[in-house]
Amino acid sequence: QKEVEQNSGPLSVPEGAIASLNCTYSDRVSQSFFWYRQYSGKSPELIMSIYSNGDKEDGRFTAQLNKASQYVSLLIRDSQPSDSATYLCAVNILGRGSTLGRLYFGRGTQLTVWP
Amino acid sequence: DADVTQTPRNRITKTGKRIMLECSQTKGHDRMYWYRQDPGLGLRLIYYSFDVKDINKGEISDGYSVSRQAQAKFSLSLESAIPNQTALYFCATSDRRGGIYNEQFFGPGTRLTVL
Repeated sequence: QKEVEQNSGPLSVPEGAIASLNCTYSDRVSQSFFWYRQYSGKSPELIMSIYSNGDKEDGRFTAQLNKASQYVSLLIRDSQPSDSATYLCAVNILGRGSTLGRLYFGRGTQLTVWP
Repeated sequence: DADVTQTPRNRITKTGKRIMLECSQTKGHDRMYWYRQDPGLGLRLIYYSFDVKDINKGEISDGYSVSRQAQAKFSLSLESAIPNQTALYFCATSDRRGGIYNEQFFGPGTRLTVL
């Protein structure tokens, strides 16, 4: 069974703080990992992709991947009220003997950044 | 202009009616997906298609059918709608040239209510 687990939240941080979002996954052969941001009533928006162990930075966002621990996280530095949204972790898992995969999503963590 | 469009954006229907949700994309991607989202349950995959001649069931395909009319069009049908199919439906696309990475991009969604 392929599972993607996220902090249930909600997570509440003050403006300017670092928000830390965590995700674990069960399938060891997972190759690629994604963070989506979803505002209420809107569609998921891809904000970060990470494929190799270590950190990947994009502006105020840093994704961290540790394949040995099956763990991926998203850090949001200098959090802003506009970052208030639900953050979805997604893991791409390949089919057996195939290069074609599908995404498995966590249930999301709701983040609120208060002024 | 939106790269992935969905019609209708909102639909209210009655139990037993046949409903079709349509998805079109101008991204040139060959892979297309249908998801539903329910509060607290995250995104769940209904059907996916890796090219025009390839259709695959996802984790919750019962009660749904799909048609891939062209590379750019992927329709989802509810043959006889029931109230527990009330949900937010998303279409997504990805590019096979992304290989194993499978970044997916979502349409704006269709809010479906079955009375």
